[in-house]
Amino acid sequence: EFVLTQSPGTLSLSPGARATLSCRAGQTVNAGYLAWYQQKPGQAPRLLIHSVSRRATGIPDRFSGTGSGTDFTLTISRLEPEDFAVYYCQQYDNSRWTFGQGTKVEIK
Amino acid sequence: QLQLQESGPGLMKPSETLSLICTVSGGSISSSDFYWGWIRQPPGKGLEWIGSVYYIGDTYYSESLKSRVTISVDTSKNHFSLRLSSLTAADTAVYYCARINRGCYDPLDIWGQGTLVIVSS
Repeated sequence: EFVLTQSPGTLSLSPGARATLSCRAGQTVNAGYLAWYQQKPGQAPRLLIHSVSRRATGIPDRFSGTGSGTDFTLTISRLEPEDFAVYYCQQYDNSRWTFGQGTKVEIK
Repeated sequence: QLQLQESGPGLMKPSETLSLICTVSGGSISSSDFYWGWIRQPPGKGLEWIGSVYYIGDTYYSESLKSRVTISVDTSKNHFSLRLSSLTAADTAVYYCARINRGCYDPLDIWGQGTLVIVSS
């Protein structure tokens, strides 16, 4: 079973700060098959990043994704008020999709 | 613009079988470029992939749920369906349907708004 572990569980930051979210896989992620989602309370998740580092349509460039192998990072360069939310990483392997448990970014 | 909409009962009893439909509008479900998936989220918890279907009927299921799950596609109605049997309280969740884009490493790029299903006697 593929496992994705996100850290930290909660990130308390001020608007304007830089946020760094980690996603670690229990085994190597096939090249490109890593995505990130943002979810706000009462809303469906929204795709932010696909193919490890490519922003989805309409996503501002303060969001960036990096990584390879088993270690991946989502960076928000300067937090805007609307960025406080829960973020999930997700991978695809062998016709199975797996999500991490999420990182909550909250206002400090 | 493509949209997905879940529909089905909001309240179920233990041991019953849940049936949900995801209706696709603004585009065709019969495209080789996409899978179609179901995901759920228990209250206050994270996302869990349930399964996915391709327009020709190929299905893929979560190992933990596959004994209870059936996903099917109806191209004539432009919708796909989820059946989950032997419900328990642990199946209480918001159920989402989503489009999976095969053109860019299979992310879930369009989501429905979700539908809350409560399992209670």
